[in-house]
Amino acid sequence: AQKVTQAQTEISVVEKEDVTLDCVYETRDTTYYLFWYKQPPSGELVFLIRRNSFDEQNEISGRYSWNFQKSTSSFNFTITASQVVDSAVYFCALSATWMDSSYKLIFGSGTRLLVRP
Amino acid sequence: DGGITQSPKYLFRKEGQNVTLSCEQNLNHDAMYWYRQDPGQGLRLIYYSQIVNDFQKGDIAEGYSVSREKKESFPLTVTSAQKNPTAFYLCASTPTGASSYNSPLHFGNGTRLTVT
Repeated sequence: AQKVTQAQTEISVVEKEDVTLDCVYETRDTTYYLFWYKQPPSGELVFLIRRNSFDEQNEISGRYSWNFQKSTSSFNFTITASQVVDSAVYFCALSATWMDSSYKLIFGSGTRLLVRP
Repeated sequence: DGGITQSPKYLFRKEGQNVTLSCEQNLNHDAMYWYRQDPGQGLRLIYYSQIVNDFQKGDIAEGYSVSREKKESFPLTVTSAQKNPTAFYLCASTPTGASSYNSPLHFGNGTRLTVT
């Protein structure tokens, strides 16, 4: 099965708290890519990061960091010192092989993050 | 600036009517996609097109139709056969379909369709 699970439906934190969004995936592919997208209230999904299955280095970008653990099939996303502008729905996605040998993205159900002032 | 334009932002239709959602991109991307988003669910793929005059069904194509006559345009028609059409529809694109497995999707702002 090819699947992405975001078990946290909604998280609420107070500004300046750190918060981690969990993502667990299943795939039969040996080579694959994982993505995180942010969906603010405007509706458009904004690309945050891409990670390939051979690169398990953690990545940090400003207040954002990502922890990829192949052994546990997880690709978690941490926001440090959260801000109100971080309030959004966050989606984790997995690239997966498709029937005609093309690829498609499989999305998790999303985690709604609310950062309160 | 390049991007994807979806129009209209909000659309209201009566049950039994077909409705067409517009998606235009000026990114010179070959591949385009339509996703449906329902509350509390992830995005589900309706149709995708890797090149002009070619498109394939996604996971939930029943009740929908598309065309790809121009590289820039990928309109989606929600037909009366779609049993539960009220949803948020997102159009996306990537540079080429063949490399889409590692290319981030560029999304439009979406169209919220309400059918009563």
